[in-house]
Amino acid sequence: AQTVTQSQPEMSVQEAETVTLSCTYDTSESDYYLFWYKQPPSRQMILVIRQEAYKQQNATENRFSVNFQKAAKSFSLKISDSQLGDAAMYFCAYRSAGRWETSGSRLTFGEGTQLTVNP
Amino acid sequence: DSGVTQTPKHLITATGQRVTLRCSPRSGDLSVYWYQQSLDQGLQFLIQYYNGEERAKGNILERFSAQQFPDLHSELNLSSLELGDSALYFCASSLGTVSYEQYFGPGTRLTVT
Repeated sequence: AQTVTQSQPEMSVQEAETVTLSCTYDTSESDYYLFWYKQPPSRQMILVIRQEAYKQQNATENRFSVNFQKAAKSFSLKISDSQLGDAAMYFCAYRSAGRWETSGSRLTFGEGTQLTVNP
Repeated sequence: DSGVTQTPKHLITATGQRVTLRCSPRSGDLSVYWYQQSLDQGLQFLIQYYNGEERAKGNILERFSAQQFPDLHSELNLSSLELGDSALYFCASSLGTVSYEQYFGPGTRLTVT
């Protein structure tokens, strides 16, 4: 079974600064997807960024980028120019890319990192 | 707004009771997923349906059941409720299965007293 670990329960950053959230995962599969979801106080789960394991290039979405290290099974999220609206719980998630008949396409989540943005 | 709707938003009920949570996926999405978010268990996958058929099962209790109807909406039934079932229940949907993003609904907050 796959596991996802977020070792930082809480992080804080000053507005306009850069912060990196860590995530490690354990899998025996070679093909999979990794995601970062954001959960603001409204509790809505919002997809921030996605990375396919077969792609060497790190994904980027505006101020959000990832550092994907497949061999190390590490998937960190970097938020640049942090804004007050970035304050939220951030979840790292794993999904197998295997045959859906056997594995489905469930997301396995980490424990989350609570990000505080200080003005 | 993800396009996934869930009703009700909040539900308060007593132990031993049965409740039904409803989810309408985004237009065109065939897959529906149910997740439970609780303080002690975190975010956990419960069950997935694809075009009316069960596709994958996670840590779903025997007291819980789900189904997806021909119009693709889904219901999660929770019975013999216990205090520990209090949680936020999310529904998510995707167009297909493996290679498609899952979009989450706003969740149903269940409180068992």
